[in-house]
Amino acid sequence: SQQGEEDPQALSIQEGENATMNCSYKTSINNLQWYRQNSGRGLVHLILIRSNEREKHSGRLRVTLDTSKKSSSLLITASRAADTASYFCATARGYDKVIFGPGTSLSVIP
Amino acid sequence: DAGVIQSPRHEVTEMGQEVTLRCKPISGHNSLFWYRQTMMRGLELLIYFNNNVPIDDSGMPEDRFSAKMPNASFSTLKIQPSEPRDSAVYFCASSQGAGETQYFGPGTRLLVL
Repeated sequence: SQQGEEDPQALSIQEGENATMNCSYKTSINNLQWYRQNSGRGLVHLILIRSNEREKHSGRLRVTLDTSKKSSSLLITASRAADTASYFCATARGYDKVIFGPGTSLSVIP
Repeated sequence: DAGVIQSPRHEVTEMGQEVTLRCKPISGHNSLFWYRQTMMRGLELLIYFNNNVPIDDSGMPEDRFSAKMPNASFSTLKIQPSEPRDSAVYFCASSQGAGETQYFGPGTRLLVL
């Protein structure tokens, strides 16, 4: 069974708006990671948040982690057309492999 | 660093032929992953290595698929014989530790006719 699952599956917003994507998972984790994939490209790492952290920022990105609810959110502020991509969350337990969710497809309309 | 290098970037072959995909991980990374991505099935982990040793190959679809990592700087994924349903984008990724940040290569787009 999949460890992480993103919500919504697809999101369409206007340029300048904020985009929020959520990730829920089922078991305890060591860290949770967010990746972006532009069409036809490999995945690119955005942020890694460890289980003892609650929030991390990177530029226009803000990630939160609630281990009690087993969920995380990725907020992209002031979205741009270039943010159009698929976004994946991935969870890691112990020293085992990272497991990716199915992704959220984000479309930012100019 | 050049990042993860994959070759070839594109491969078109006929059903029944052998296909070999190659990957050079980032120097110093001890974990290497092979993924397959399709529209229907999304991103699937095929196999991963730690310190050149295969740890989990439960995602390898069948015996037609094999992967090797003869040293820390090179890995191959082989499909023999190839079938049309193997058509997909195959990604290689590496990391410093299996549960840490992964760095993906550009992928190999495989089309089996």
